[in-house]
Amino acid sequence: DTAVSQTPKYLVTQMGNDKSIKCEQNLGHDTMYWYKQDSKKFLKIMFSYNNKELIINETVPNRFSPKSPDKAHLNLHINSLELGDSAVYFCASSQDRWAPLHFGNGTRLTVT
Amino acid sequence: TQLLKQSPQFLSIQEGENLTVYCNSSSVFSSLQWYRQEPGEGPVLLVTVVTGGEVKKLKRLTFQFGDARKDSSLHITAAQPGDTGLYLCAAPFYNQGGKLIFGQGTELSVKP
Repeated sequence: DTAVSQTPKYLVTQMGNDKSIKCEQNLGHDTMYWYKQDSKKFLKIMFSYNNKELIINETVPNRFSPKSPDKAHLNLHINSLELGDSAVYFCASSQDRWAPLHFGNGTRLTVT
Repeated sequence: TQLLKQSPQFLSIQEGENLTVYCNSSSVFSSLQWYRQEPGEGPVLLVTVVTGGEVKKLKRLTFQFGDARKDSSLHITAAQPGDTGLYLCAAPFYNQGGKLIFGQGTELSVKP
């Protein structure tokens, strides 16, 4: 029943590892996003896809690579993890690029 | 540079008190959204305001969009412990590719 679901909920890993976070939405939305929420709770957009096409790519290290196999899925792969990557990552979707967002429940990434 | 400034950042009050949270910018917006985020969950949309001067009510929550569409406020009457959470305003910045930019949030704690 969940509208936007992301896995895993928690991810603890060591520096230098590669990890992926998966996201799926069953709302039929055209646009999907990845946001990063830092320790001060500030939400910053990382990427946005519209119908599988990348439309927003913020100043994010190229160790972060989003992949959208279809418009219902947007995964985030992170290479060579660093301590500073520790944060909560949120997937979201919207009906179109101007509509309000529906968020997943986040993935708390801890890099040790 | 914070494009959307929220104040206060933290607010701790007793049950039954009233409070107001502000969201300000130097930019003019076509619309502005308010979200609430509870611990361990993603932000959830509360309301979208569109017209300058517009007032929307959601039970004990009153949202107002400034006449010039540069600012907004959220007023909670007779706050309850269930109102505890992070309140976020967000607006689309068309001169930045239509990205939805979030304020830094207001953490509200309502004590019984």
